[in-house]
Amino acid sequence: DAGVTQSPTHLIKTRGQQVTLRCSPKSGHDTVSWYQQALGQGPQFIFQYYEEEERQRGNFPDRFSGHQFPNYSSELNVNALLLGDSALYLCASSSKGGGLGETQYFGPGTRLLVL
Amino acid sequence: GEDVEQSLFLSVREGDSSVINCTYTDSSSTYLYWYKQEPGAGLQLLTYIFSNMDMKQDQRLTVLLNKKDKHLSLRIADTQTGDSAIYFCAERIPGTYKYIFGTGTRLKVLA
Repeated sequence: DAGVTQSPTHLIKTRGQQVTLRCSPKSGHDTVSWYQQALGQGPQFIFQYYEEEERQRGNFPDRFSGHQFPNYSSELNVNALLLGDSALYLCASSSKGGGLGETQYFGPGTRLLVL
Repeated sequence: GEDVEQSLFLSVREGDSSVINCTYTDSSSTYLYWYKQEPGAGLQLLTYIFSNMDMKQDQRLTVLLNKKDKHLSLRIADTQTGDSAIYFCAERIPGTYKYIFGTGTRLKVLA
């Protein structure tokens, strides 16, 4: 049973560019959340997708957007990259709509470096 | 406000017990989690507890919850070198789908 997978594993971009990160949830999971983890920090919640809609958002600007597909996989898009966007981007999935009591399982992350 | 705090470092000798502490801010009914992160890897769920419980034990792991003080701890019995990692405490914000993580405690196990 595959866990949460993310691609690519590493990415280097320059300021002003746009990036798309991808996530496939654990088998049987229908809810995907995205987190940003800066070096030496804990993960910060970006947003959560369920039924192809963004239903909860953290304190991130509109440059951060996402999408969820009918097969529950998800993309995170970041426009107009800043140096401060350099971080590990983590995807987490859960089942049954991510209701209370449903736990999140994390992928290995995509490490983004913005130069 | 929403905040989860942890001490930054802990060093223990192999075979001893480790206790990692966390304080959280929201006193409503919710779930609290412990995750482990090894270098260059994602987060591994270790255990979790609902806020109406005082304690949960899972093999070498014991979670204690003091609701009055909003204090959560993770005890690792017989700590091994493979337990060296960063441990994150996380809280699900009640009434939302949002999770707040602490800054992590780096556990170093000395042989």
